[in-house]
Order: sequence, then structure tokens, then C-alpha cells
Amino acid sequence: KAGVTQTPRYLIKTRGQQVTLSCSPISGHRSVSWYQQTPGQGLQFLFEYFSETQRNKGNFPGRFSGRQFSNSRSEMNVSTLELGDSALYLCASSLRGADTEAFFGQGTRLTVV
Amino acid sequence: QQQVKQSPQSLIVQKGGIPIINCAYENTAFDYFPWYQQFPGNGPALLIAIRPDVSEKKEGRFTISFNKSAKQFSLHIMDSQPGDSATYFCAASKGTGNQFYFGTGTSLTVIP
Repeated sequence: KAGVTQTPRYLIKTRGQQVTLSCSPISGHRSVSWYQQTPGQGLQFLFEYFSETQRNKGNFPGRFSGRQFSNSRSEMNVSTLELGDSALYLCASSLRGADTEAFFGQGTRLTVV
Repeated sequence: QQQVKQSPQSLIVQKGGIPIINCAYENTAFDYFPWYQQFPGNGPALLIAIRPDVSEKKEGRFTISFNKSAKQFSLHIMDSQPGDSATYFCAASKGTGNQFYFGTGTSLTVIP
């Protein structure tokens, strides 16, 4: 069956702009989590959605937001982009949450110039 | 504060060797411990995972050893191959939800 699909794979944006990233989970999975990966900070949790509700949230500023649709697809939005937002953004899907395996997509490489 | 501490940062072994990557945690509420493998340009791929009620789990050439009292767990890769050269991450999560706390990663190089 198809894996986790993230679009776009690469993105270049200018400081101050906003960006929306998309994640389509594995069919049947209801939990979608988002992570930011940078060389300096590693993998950091942004937020998790389950059945269209945000269930957990990491320590990121309010410029980072997300949502989940009724088909479990999720979007992440970053407003007023800063140079430090350049990173690989990963989403992971699982059937229900912590008691089931989580599978990552290939990520979206965001570069802010 | 790093909730999961991983070592070493990098590791070089000969083909056939058994690299061992170690992780430690403080939060006793953690109840799920997965290991991920990541190749450049790809997202992390789940290798193997363990829960605190088990002290060891094997899947193919990958083994997790878990020491609940010491709050440590480790990954052993048996008969390592050059294709195993990648970055390995340990992680931990607790309770409901898919919020993983990741270690800082170990870059493994297996020399032919």
C-alpha cells in the first residue's frame, strides 16, 4: 500500500512569506504528526492531529500551525517565514497514535532566502 | 533539555562487525521506544521498536536491548553491511499521541 506522501518535495521562499505543506497519510491512518529536522536541533516535534483535532503541540511559535481534514490529510502552515525556518519538514502517520507504529514521509525541504 | 540522549555521534565499523548505539532517558512515563534509520534525502524509516515490559527484541539483523532500571536501551546491528551506512535515531514516546522525543542521531559507516 502507498506510504506517506508529502508535497512539495522542495520549496524556496523569501523571508516574510508564508508557506503551506501537505501530508497524505497511509490509508486508514488517523494520526498525523509533524516534525522539523535541522542539523543543529535534530528532529523536533511540531504538533499532532488525530481525527481533525490537535492532540499534542510542541514548543514552536504560533507562526507554525496545522490542520487535518476529514480524510486525515494534513496541512502545515508557517507564516512570516524566517531564515531559521529553513529545514526538512517531516510528517508521520500512524493508525491511532503512540500504541501503533509511525511511518514517515520523505519530507519537504524548505529553504528560506 | 534533551529528553533522550544518544551516543555515539558517529561510528565506523568493518563489514561484519556489530555496531552498538546507546540511548538513555529520564522520564519514566515513556512507554514506547522505536529506532529509525535515515538515508540522505529520505525521511526516517522505522526499524524496530520495543516496550518496557520486554528486555530484548530481535528483527532480522537488528536487536534492541532494554534496561528499564537503568533507563537505557540500545540497538545492535548484527553482521553489518555497507548498505547499513545511514543515520540512526532512537526515540521515546508516552501515553496517548504520537509525540516522539528523538535522540540526536548516530552516523554509522560500514567499511567494506
